[in-house]
Amino acid sequence: QKEVEQDPGPLSVPEGAIVSLNCTYSNSAFQYFMWYRQYSRKGPELLMYTYSSGNKEDGRFTAQVDKSSKYISLFIRDSQPSDSATYLCAMENTGTASKLTFGTGTRLQVTL
Amino acid sequence: KAGVTQTPRYLIKTRGQQVTLSCSPISGHRSVSWYQQTPGQGLQFLFEYFSETQRNKGNFPGRFSGRQFSNSRSEMNVSTLELGDSALYLCASSLAGIAGEQYFGPGTRLTVT
Repeated sequence: QKEVEQDPGPLSVPEGAIVSLNCTYSNSAFQYFMWYRQYSRKGPELLMYTYSSGNKEDGRFTAQVDKSSKYISLFIRDSQPSDSATYLCAMENTGTASKLTFGTGTRLQVTL
Repeated sequence: KAGVTQTPRYLIKTRGQQVTLSCSPISGHRSVSWYQQTPGQGLQFLFEYFSETQRNKGNFPGRFSGRQFSNSRSEMNVSTLELGDSALYLCASSLAGIAGEQYFGPGTRLTVT
């Protein structure tokens, strides 16, 4: 069993919908949680970075961490076709760049 | 400010050969991490270098190695290539090695035939 599980999708939603992306994990030592967006033929781009439990909002994006359930989510409001990409969750226990553990990614398609 | 650059972008090699990939971090960044991305396993951490020293290593065989130069540029080498080494190899740089401050390059797509 992988340390981080993520539904690969694909997830298809109409423009304007609220998107919910999720990851579960098994390592209770994880304290730092990240969401990346990866477009085809590009490297991942950091979207959200949170520490411990709670919510963090940035524009149309909201990240939630529930450490008691070992569950993290990324919500995208008013989704746009430009949001079509693969979304990767990642986590780490020391705050350093060493040994980030990634989910396999969820492919999102926002249709017109 | 220029982003992280990786060369070459695409590479085709034969089983048994070796390959060297290059990564130039963002100017001023001292930490460079390398990852392997495959459809089945996703992104997996290879190693991280900070100020020319390897700080951490993932669970990859010794055929995978790397180094960092005094200008923070980094190379990774894979010897005795296997078909399963076909992947996108990504490097990421950060100022001080903080997870939330990493910037990824576009990757090198390696195909082993």
